[in-house]
Amino acid sequence: SSELTQDPAVSVALGQTVKITCQGDSLRRYYASWYQQKPGQAPILVIFGKNNRPSGIPDRFSGSSSGNTASLTITGAQAEDETDYYCSSRDSSGNHVIFGGGTKLTVL
Amino acid sequence: QVHLVQSGAEVKKPGASVKVSCKASGYTFTTYYIHWVRQAPGQGLEWMGMINPSGATTTYAQKFQGRVTMTTDTSTSTVYMGVSSLRSEDTAVYYCTREGWNGLNFWYFDLWGRGTLVTVSS
Repeated sequence: SSELTQDPAVSVALGQTVKITCQGDSLRRYYASWYQQKPGQAPILVIFGKNNRPSGIPDRFSGSSSGNTASLTITGAQAEDETDYYCSSRDSSGNHVIFGGGTKLTVL
Repeated sequence: QVHLVQSGAEVKKPGASVKVSCKASGYTFTTYYIHWVRQAPGQGLEWMGMINPSGATTTYAQKFQGRVTMTTDTSTSTVYMGVSSLRSEDTAVYYCTREGWNGLNFWYFDLWGRGTLVTVSS
């Protein structure tokens, strides 16, 4: 399969926990990576592999995976987390990259 | 400091071609694959393809086969991405990005250029 599916929009109350999901057949074989993108800026990597955070990414961001679903969890969402998030992985062949359609996170 | 520095914005007419550059610095250029990802206005991220700067081997998304060409110049640590037969739907920000890989089951893009806006308009 060559698709990753994300909910277009998710909301969370300030300080609460939110999970953003990404579904696709290839996730049974490969881990997803997650990107945060603010308006007018390039994406930045926030989670990769089983649950790895690059240097500088707050520890309120975490990742998990089960079956065909990868999840990005923000524990204690902050106002600055309100933006777009994309998952990415390889397709089932492993030869091509695929992105989810993106999730717009609103922090209420 | 590691960087990917992209060339400036371009305005092209339909049917023309464009070539965007991406110059790497601060790391060993031939160690990491470079990918190109584009984003049309208000839309999501779309993978276009990748190049191995070491052997210049390429893999393109099926959608762009025959219309996109990626090349590399190891003497200047620069990757180039060209798109031919431009149409209005190619108006987008084009990003180059560096790929990391654990050698087994996950990949990630840990370094991104700032993007190059290509506008296709008559």
